[in-house]
Amino acid sequence: SQQGEEDPQALSIQEGENATMNCSYKTSINNLQWYRQNSGRGLVHLILIRSNEREKHSGRLRVTLDTSKKSSSLLITASRAADTASYFCATDAMNNNAGNMLTFGGGTRLMVKP
Amino acid sequence: DGGITQSPKYLFRKEGQNVTLSCEQNLNHDAMYWYRQDPGQGLRLIYYSQIVNDFQKGDIAEGYSVSREKKESFPLTVTSAQKNPTAFYLCASRDRGFSPLHFGNGTRLTVT
Repeated sequence: SQQGEEDPQALSIQEGENATMNCSYKTSINNLQWYRQNSGRGLVHLILIRSNEREKHSGRLRVTLDTSKKSSSLLITASRAADTASYFCATDAMNNNAGNMLTFGGGTRLMVKP
Repeated sequence: DGGITQSPKYLFRKEGQNVTLSCEQNLNHDAMYWYRQDPGQGLRLIYYSQIVNDFQKGDIAEGYSVSREKKESFPLTVTSAQKNPTAFYLCASRDRGFSPLHFGNGTRLTVT
């Protein structure tokens, strides 16, 4: 399966600043999802954006999707120290013959300094 | 509360021994997945199962085996044939269709 690519791989910001992470992918998708992982824990689903949507908001999170460029971005506004975690994008392929599975990118490690 | 339980949290084994990681869910999800995560890396799919008594290989199935005898349970066996088994293993499940994954809190396996 083909993975998405996230950039940057690591991001360090001050509390209160905004954090932007980008994800690129290769295949046509049904939807794209963002997950968060605290150190040593499982992943937690944050937000899902469908291929016919361009932007979605959830609290301090804003996700955009550009299917023509096969890319997505996750913006966290007014960051907090508790936002420190790794963030992963995952794609659900349009033609999911591969058994209904998500394909994950390598992740962005975000550090928010108090 | 519904969720996925992985046990144990930490597991230590000697090289050459098989080891089985447990994954149980009470979300009534049909599909279950096993991922491997190496330090600072993303997730790689080992095996997945869409229905009881059926499972498929993922990208890195060599040296691993699974069973799906019950809807709630999807144990993963790391065999002695796995060349580099030390890693963080994550189990997940999802409902039918294009829905989010629910993850367990992982098992960290160390083989020496």
